[in-house]
Amino acid sequence: EAQVTQNPRYLITVTGKKLTVTCSQNMNHEYMSWYRQDPGLGLRQIYYSMNVEVTDKGDVPEGYKVSRKEKRNFPLILESPSPNQTSLYFCASSSGTEVYEQYFGPGTRLTVT
Amino acid sequence: DAKTTQPPSMDCAEGRAANLPCNHSTISGNEYVYWYRQIHSQGPQYIIHGLKNNETNEMASLIITEDRKSSTLILPHATLRDTAVYYCIAPSTGGFKTIFGAGTRLFVKA
Repeated sequence: EAQVTQNPRYLITVTGKKLTVTCSQNMNHEYMSWYRQDPGLGLRQIYYSMNVEVTDKGDVPEGYKVSRKEKRNFPLILESPSPNQTSLYFCASSSGTEVYEQYFGPGTRLTVT
Repeated sequence: DAKTTQPPSMDCAEGRAANLPCNHSTISGNEYVYWYRQIHSQGPQYIIHGLKNNETNEMASLIITEDRKSSTLILPHATLRDTAVYYCIAPSTGGFKTIFGAGTRLFVKA
């Protein structure tokens, strides 16, 4: 089954404790992206990657890092999480020829206390 | 990206057609219009996209005006499971950012 998986689905952590949210897709997609969703602010893009070793900033990259060492994986790294990064995070992927037909993962609900 | 404007919410009776409008008056000639929906807090789901011709798939139909300044997503026989937020986006060609607006919250009522 074609899918995008994210782990963990729920995470409660404390300020400053580094964490990684993993994202993996099994569709051999070139394009992958991370979004955060907050009430009243909608979906905002954090980072995206056009292919292995190619990443670029979205609209809200501050406080986040990403890497794309393998085509299927696109982890989101919070080096020093802060409470304002409490949010619902989505990973998405798409083919390089249909970038905007994105498949989204189920989401990761992160709480930073 | 072309700016898109959608009504914040709409109601529809179950079994009737739901017509969701989107204004994208600044769209350029080669920018497509894409529609997604998000049910509760699930990941958004791609529905359909088009450039200038009307499009139909198993989920919905997309009608784009001749001047391409607006479009309408049609769910021909809305069900309770179609209650969701529907997003219309018109991303710039040549760029790879994706910008979602606030969308339209569709309530399908029995």
